[in-house]
Amino acid sequence: QQQVKQSPQSLIVQKGGISIINCAYENTAFDYFPWYQQFPGKGPALLIAIRPDVSEKKEGRFTISFNKSAKQFSLHIMDSQPGDSATYFCAASEKNNDMRFGAGTRLTVKP
Amino acid sequence: NAGVTQTPKFQVLKTGQSMTLQCAQDMNHNSMYWYRQDPGMGLRLIYYSASEGTTDKGEVPNGYNVSRLNKREFSLRLESAAPSQTSVYFCASRASGRGTDTQYFGPGTRLTVL
Repeated sequence: QQQVKQSPQSLIVQKGGISIINCAYENTAFDYFPWYQQFPGKGPALLIAIRPDVSEKKEGRFTISFNKSAKQFSLHIMDSQPGDSATYFCAASEKNNDMRFGAGTRLTVKP
Repeated sequence: NAGVTQTPKFQVLKTGQSMTLQCAQDMNHNSMYWYRQDPGMGLRLIYYSASEGTTDKGEVPNGYNVSRLNKREFSLRLESAAPSQTSVYFCASRASGRGTDTQYFGPGTRLTVL
């Protein structure tokens, strides 16, 4: 069973719109929650990450919102651009050795 | 500074054949990882090595073996390949210590087992 559940599976957004991807986890021992971005034919690359002692982290157009009591976290991409079209993975780990990934969301930003 | 490199990029095997996937990193990282990526499944950890000389099983270790040859290199071996091992394999590495949680991924090896 997947320890990190991600939705939606795919997402289409117009240029300039907001993209929102959600994840839920079960293991309360998880202490690190990264988001990875992957372009076709490439390995995943870290986009942004958060620890459970804060509820939000923003880096440029990318924001993670974290709800510890609900065991949920989400990625918001503001002013989405065609260059953001990629697959996004949420993940969670305890002490960052046994990372568990969500199934991925394929984002398409239409010009 | 090449980061994480993997060889080969592509491989086709017949059922029962063996092969070793190679991974090397030049960032002086202590921890290294092997993942497989399958459609609709995300990435799943096969094995990891927290430091030179140690290896541990991840989520899906069956059918695989690993060797942490030295600090730079971490190889993944399929002793008797099966069609269920058709996947894209990624190696990753990470420095140790608080505040250094980023895992850096290689470009992947696309493996097909017929």
